[in-house]
Amino acid sequence: DAGVIQSPRHEVTEMGQEVTLRCKPISGHDYLFWYRQTMMRGLELLIYFNNNVPIDDSGMPEDRFSAKMPNASFSTLKIQPSEPRDSAVYFCASSFSREETQYFGPGTRLLVL
Amino acid sequence: QQQVKQSPQSLIVQKGGISIINCAYENTAFDYFPWYQQFPGKGPALLIAIRPDVSEKKEGRFTISFNKSAKQFSLHIMDSQPGDSATYFCAASDGSYDYKLSFGAGTTVTVRA
Repeated sequence: DAGVIQSPRHEVTEMGQEVTLRCKPISGHDYLFWYRQTMMRGLELLIYFNNNVPIDDSGMPEDRFSAKMPNASFSTLKIQPSEPRDSAVYFCASSFSREETQYFGPGTRLLVL
Repeated sequence: QQQVKQSPQSLIVQKGGISIINCAYENTAFDYFPWYQQFPGKGPALLIAIRPDVSEKKEGRFTISFNKSAKQFSLHIMDSQPGDSATYFCAASDGSYDYKLSFGAGTTVTVRA
């Protein structure tokens, strides 16, 4: 298995632009998590899905952030408009119900200028 | 509000030495306590995990000690090697409620040769 796949791996954009991060979970996994990692705040859970349905989005920082999971093999995290304080590494992770191990992707390093 | 408190923030150990990282939690409903290892530029990966029904779990050079009454758990890395240099995160979840992991702030371990 290829593991969790994220794209792009690096993104540099200017303030105000829309940013879309993509994630392909491990086949058969029914949970998908989006995290943000910064030096100041560590690993923060933004949102998670179960069977493509958003379960808890309480970690989404603002309305500028949105996430979708149109099918079991694809999810997006969108930031519109982006701000410099959104600069971070964004991780996607997936897991299989009844197994609590989360498998993380390689992350997307986002820099907003 | 961080549900899992982790210390120290960083530590340096000589090759062959023992690295010890401590975590404390408040939520008595937590029933799953994993440790994740993260190398620079990579996503976190599960290292070892424990449940409250045992006080210790060992996998190779890595041991988790768990003290349910004190609501504390720790990771011991025996015979530390330069390849162990990474950031380690403790985490906890309440599997009867959801699969959200609450992560500690992380400990950067540097093993000097």
